[in-house]
Amino acid sequence: QSVLTQPPSASETRGQRVSISCSGDTSNIGRHSVTWHQQLPGTAPKLLIHSNDQRPSGVPDRFSASKSGTSASLAISGLQSEDEADYYCGAWDDRLNVWVFGGGTKLTVV
Amino acid sequence: EVQLVQSGGGLVQPGGSLRLSCETSGFVFSSNWMDWVRQAPGKGLEWVANINEDGSVANYLESVRGRFTISRDNVKNSLNLQMNSLRVEDTAIYYCINARAGWGQGTLVTVSS
Repeated sequence: QSVLTQPPSASETRGQRVSISCSGDTSNIGRHSVTWHQQLPGTAPKLLIHSNDQRPSGVPDRFSASKSGTSASLAISGLQSEDEADYYCGAWDDRLNVWVFGGGTKLTVV
Repeated sequence: EVQLVQSGGGLVQPGGSLRLSCETSGFVFSSNWMDWVRQAPGKGLEWVANINEDGSVANYLESVRGRFTISRDNVKNSLNLQMNSLRVEDTAIYYCINARAGWGQGTLVTVSS
């Protein structure tokens, strides 16, 4: 069981918007920055978001994120078939002294 | 362009050792914490270890503490993970990562007799 809680799956229609949630507590999300990572099938993860809401160079602005209290969310607008992937949130945890990840959300674009 | 290029890994028997390396470019390596994260077959992401900017502080996952050692060379902009006393449950793809720059391509470590 992961320290950060994500829905195991999400599904949305091409062109629409989807939001993926990530729930933690005061020892992780409540105190530290959240990162989001995209893992396409059979490939290495890719950094999508750092510092709660910052996109690295090259990440389309269709991807956005926010944090409030002990929860965070990733939003993807204008869904494309190539967005089908596993999405993971992550944050440092002061109580466990480890970087914790959510269990991942498998996104299907229909 | 940010690049994290990994090397090392492979097949090793239980109790054996391996050394992973990660050569970086495109960001100021010496000003950043660096991490290793692993992913067992069909599983999610699991953080393994990290190291601070000058190498004076390292943190480890409880199950690898005392067996794995993370280190860095700020002249060569490289990160290393020395893995000793490997166990079957250490089998995974290992990734180097900087939380603001990105991920390495991953390297498979298989521990099996």
